[in-house]
Amino acid sequence: GDSVTQMEGPVTLSEEAFLTINCTYTATGYPSLFWYVQYPGEGLQLLLKATKADDKGSNKGFEATYRKETTSFHLEKGSVQVSDSAVYFCALSSNSGYSTLTFGKGTMLLVSP
Amino acid sequence: GAGVSQSPSNKVTEKGKDVELRCDPISGHTALYWYRQSLGQGLEFLIYFQGNSAPDKSGLPSDRFSAERTGGSVSTLTIQRTQQEDSAVYLCASSPFVAGTTHEQFFGPGTRLTVL
Repeated sequence: GDSVTQMEGPVTLSEEAFLTINCTYTATGYPSLFWYVQYPGEGLQLLLKATKADDKGSNKGFEATYRKETTSFHLEKGSVQVSDSAVYFCALSSNSGYSTLTFGKGTMLLVSP
Repeated sequence: GAGVSQSPSNKVTEKGKDVELRCDPISGHTALYWYRQSLGQGLEFLIYFQGNSAPDKSGLPSDRFSAERTGGSVSTLTIQRTQQEDSAVYLCASSPFVAGTTHEQFFGPGTRLTVL
C-alpha cells in the first residue's frame, strides 16, 4: 500500500538557517504530494502541493519539488523564522477519484532566536 | 467564511463508555474525511464520505467505530465501549469533490479524546 517516510525530529535550527525536511514515498500510479503544517495549538493547514512530476510547490518561502525518479518531495526554506516552529507533515493522495491522504509521521521544527 | 468545526474540543471518558464526536464541514463541500492522530501511529485515515454515503470505511480500526453523515453536511463519529487505546485527536476534513481531480482538504481543529 501507499506509505510516506519523513525524517524524524525534532529539527532544531537557529533563526535564518537553511531548512531541509526529507520526505520519500511509495505509491502506485502518480500520486499528488502535499506538505501540511500544524502550528502549536492549531489545526492542520495545507502548506504546499504538487500534482505531477517535476512540479514545484511553494508558499511562505517554503518549496518542494516532486521528484518521481527518487520518489521524493523534500521541503526546503532558505531562511527560517521563529514563527516557522511547528510540526510538518508530508502526505500523498493516490488519484483514485477522491483524495484520501496518507501521512508521514510528522517532523517537529524548533527555531530559536 | 466559516471553516470546519468540531465538537467537543476535548472529551474525557471512562473506559467502556460510548462517545460521539461531531464534525461540521465547510458549506458546499461534498467530501468529508475522518482521521485519527495519535502519538504512536501518527495520522491515520478512518473513513470517507461522499454526500451521505461512505464508499471507503477501510480505516475504521474495529466494529466499535461507526460514522454517519446526514443531509450531506454534519457527520458524527461514534466509538462504542471505548478503550484506552482509542485516546487520540480525531480530525475531520472536508473538500469539494470533482472526479479525477485532487482538491485541498480543509481540516478542523480536532477533538482530543482521553479514555481513562
